[in-house]
Amino acid sequence: AQSVAQPEDQVNVAEGNPLTVKCTYSVSGNPYLFWYVQYPNRGLQFLLKYITGDNLVKGSYGFEAEFNKSQTSFHLKKPSALVSDSALYFCAVRVSTDSWGKLQFGAGTQVVVTP
Amino acid sequence: EAGVAQSPRYKIIEKRQSVAFWCNPISGHATLYWYQQILGQGPKLLIQFQNNGVVDDSQLPKDRFSAERLKGVDSTLKIQPAKLEDSAVYLCASSGRRTSGTETQYFGPGTRLLVL
Repeated sequence: AQSVAQPEDQVNVAEGNPLTVKCTYSVSGNPYLFWYVQYPNRGLQFLLKYITGDNLVKGSYGFEAEFNKSQTSFHLKKPSALVSDSALYFCAVRVSTDSWGKLQFGAGTQVVVTP
Repeated sequence: EAGVAQSPRYKIIEKRQSVAFWCNPISGHATLYWYQQILGQGPKLLIQFQNNGVVDDSQLPKDRFSAERLKGVDSTLKIQPAKLEDSAVYLCASSGRRTSGTETQYFGPGTRLLVL
């Protein structure tokens, strides 16, 4: 069975500081990994995904994520956080061997960026 | 390009009543998903359609939930009768033609359901 864990319920960071949101996964096969962001009363917005190739993936709004196979992690990063980055972030995983495979989401990490 | 549309945005009902949610996916998207997002949790897939056929409904409580996508475009999710634990946000998502699971899912704004 596939699963994804986001070990931090909330991350607090000052504006201008680096932001990291952690994600680890467990799958029996090659993972496809996704990050989404959710603003209040809005649906999920796609940020980036890792399918194959370069372990560093660049996405929307200055975010990037690094795939680490040995540590089964896919942490989301932004070099300089903005107050507008305050939102709920979800990591999700799908197994490559199952083309109908459902997207398994983590519980989410609330990011709070203070001015 | 228009995004995924959902209606209504909010719904309050009493337990044992019925409710229906509507979703119109991004034009041309063959795959449609319904998710349930309970407060404090990540979205959980309820049902996945490929065109007008169901490919995964393993987590759909079939005694009370039903969904259809008759013409392979828009979809309706129904709950009858509703229970208190059905209070959640119901998200619809769509993605392009199936490849090998690499496609991105695009989400609508969701319907927030409160069952009293």
